[in-house]
Amino acid sequence: EAQVTQNPRYLITVTGKKLTVTCSQNMNHEYMSWYRQDPGLGLRQIYYSMNVEVTDKGDVPEGYKVSRKEKRNFPLILESPSPNQTSLYFCASREIGGGPPFGELFFGEGSRLTVL
Amino acid sequence: AQTVTQSQPEMSVQEAETVTLSCTYDTSESDYYLFWYKQPPSRQMILVIRQEAYKQQNATENRFSVNFQKAAKSFSLKISDSQLGDAAMYFCAYRSARDFGTGTRLQVFP
Repeated sequence: EAQVTQNPRYLITVTGKKLTVTCSQNMNHEYMSWYRQDPGLGLRQIYYSMNVEVTDKGDVPEGYKVSRKEKRNFPLILESPSPNQTSLYFCASREIGGGPPFGELFFGEGSRLTVL
Repeated sequence: AQTVTQSQPEMSVQEAETVTLSCTYDTSESDYYLFWYKQPPSRQMILVIRQEAYKQQNATENRFSVNFQKAAKSFSLKISDSQLGDAAMYFCAYRSARDFGTGTRLQVFP
């Protein structure tokens, strides 16, 4: 089954304690991306990756890191989480084709993160 | 900068009736794609419908259709014969991956 898998689905942590949210896709997609969803703000892109070893900042990258060492995996790293990073996080992937970005985004099920 | 605007934070509709969710966007590109995604209470994001900007014909997927007005940069979603399972957050998106609206929460009443 084609899917994007995120872990953990729920996490409560404390300020400053490093954490990693994993993301893996089994569709051989080149493009992967992280978003945070906050009430009234919709989805905002944190980081994205067009392929292995190629990553770039989205709209809200501060406080986050990513890596893309393998095509299927795109972990999101919070080196020193703060309460303003409490949010719902989504990983997504899609194909890259010629022309404008047209491919459907496939989303993970979301990770609810609370930073105390 | 936000380029996609959903001006209706909440909408409601009676079961079996029709509802339209609005979306406007800003772009200088001539060739692009627009999307509507649905997020039910399960939180899973699901593609509802996609429109290619160079196509004049409005996209349709069963009970879901769009009214795409390229000159006005408007991309509204019409849901016909609304069902209880249509209750969700709906997000309009431009270019698939980068720009999302703030969402419209749709309630469906029996």
